Amino acid sequence: EAQVTQNPRYLITVTGKKLTVTCSQNMNHEYMSWYRQDPGLGLRQIYYSMNVEVTDKGDVPEGYKVSRKEKRNFPLILESPSPNQTSLYFCASSLGPNTGELFFGEGSRLTVL
Amino acid sequence: QKEVEQDPGPLSVPEGAIVSLNCTYSNSAFQYFMWYRQYSRKGPELLMYTYSSGNKEDGRFTAQVDKSSKYISLFIRDSQPSDSATYLCAPKGGYNKLIFGAGTRLAVHP
Repeated sequence: EAQVTQNPRYLITVTGKKLTVTCSQNMNHEYMSWYRQDPGLGLRQIYYSMNVEVTDKGDVPEGYKVSRKEKRNFPLILESPSPNQTSLYFCASSLGPNTGELFFGEGSRLTVL
Repeated sequence: QKEVEQDPGPLSVPEGAIVSLNCTYSNSAFQYFMWYRQYSRKGPELLMYTYSSGNKEDGRFTAQVDKSSKYISLFIRDSQPSDSATYLCAPKGGYNKLIFGAGTRLAVHP
């Protein structure tokens, strides 16, 4: 089954404790992206990747890191989480960089205390 | 001012009603206009999209864009309880740069 898989789905952590949210897609998609979704603000792009080893900042990259060492994986790293990073995070992938059709994972709800 | 404005609702309608969901946007350069549907506790999924101004129909769903007034609409005919979800409009800039509205929550009750 074609899918984007994120882990963990739910996480409660404390300020400053590094964490990684993994994302994997099995559709051989070139383009991958991370979003955060907050009430009243919609989905905002954090980082995106056009292909392996190619990443770039989105609209809200502060406090986040990403890497794209393999085509299928695009982990999101929070080096020192803060409470304002409490949010619902979505990973998405797309066949190419300009299709407009993004395939989303089921989301990872992160709470930073 | 946000680039894309969308009434958050919630919108509650009886089964069979015609539903109108709307967005406004500010960037006249947008050419593609996507609608995503998000069920509770799920990721968004692409419902349909239109290019430039005009209408596009897909079953019970019609997407409409008026570029002169920067207004985007999604109409749902004969609404069903299974249509209960949050609907996100998303004009597209370059390279999959989607600018998402905050979403309108729709509840269709039997």
